Amino acid sequence: DVKVTQSSRYLVKRTGEKVFLECVQDMDHENMFWYRQDPGLGLRLIYFSYDVKMKEKGDIPEGYSVSREKKERFSLILESASTNQTSMYLCASSSLSGNDTTDTQYFGPGTRLTVL
Amino acid sequence: GDSVTQMEGPVTLSEEAFLTINCTYTATGYPSLFWYVQYPGEGLQLLLKATKADDKGSNKGFEATYRKETTSFHLEKGSVQVSDSAVYFCAPTRSMFSGGYNKLIFGAGTRLAVHP
Repeated sequence: DVKVTQSSRYLVKRTGEKVFLECVQDMDHENMFWYRQDPGLGLRLIYFSYDVKMKEKGDIPEGYSVSREKKERFSLILESASTNQTSMYLCASSSLSGNDTTDTQYFGPGTRLTVL
Repeated sequence: GDSVTQMEGPVTLSEEAFLTINCTYTATGYPSLFWYVQYPGEGLQLLLKATKADDKGSNKGFEATYRKETTSFHLEKGSVQVSDSAVYFCAPTRSMFSGGYNKLIFGAGTRLAVHP
């Protein structure tokens, strides 16, 4: 089974702190994603990566950055946390599909971040 | 732009009732269609998918048929159980770039509560 793990289930930080959220997948997937989930808004894509050291902005990248130094690990960084970044953060991974449109994303359990 | 519309929840049913959760989408090209489920306190799991018109995805008693003419992918189950209580997300894919990567477009989610 594909396993995607996230470093913390719950995290509490203060405004202005630098926050690192870590995600690791064990299936050698090329693609990795960071989403945030907020009530009534569903999941919104923050950033994704299709290879080591490669990244693309998603729909809401402002206030975030990412790092992918190894294929299995994808980190989300909040350079200076703000209260409006309080949310559930979900990491996912998928295999490179080429022309196949059936690539399934596998999700981690999520990190609930509270910024005070 | 690409978007998904799901019926608003919560949907409250008694055990063994029939379930329908409506989903319609707008997307360019020929997307694959997914339903994901999120149980309390967990990340998202793939429930079922369909990749071409008239395909029926099925899993755990749930079914959904890819209706290209109506751009819909409604989720159904003939007899729900208390253990089906969760949030359900409809998600078509959207091609990000010519390399073949596909992005999931998530609806807001529909919460289902099943009572004994």
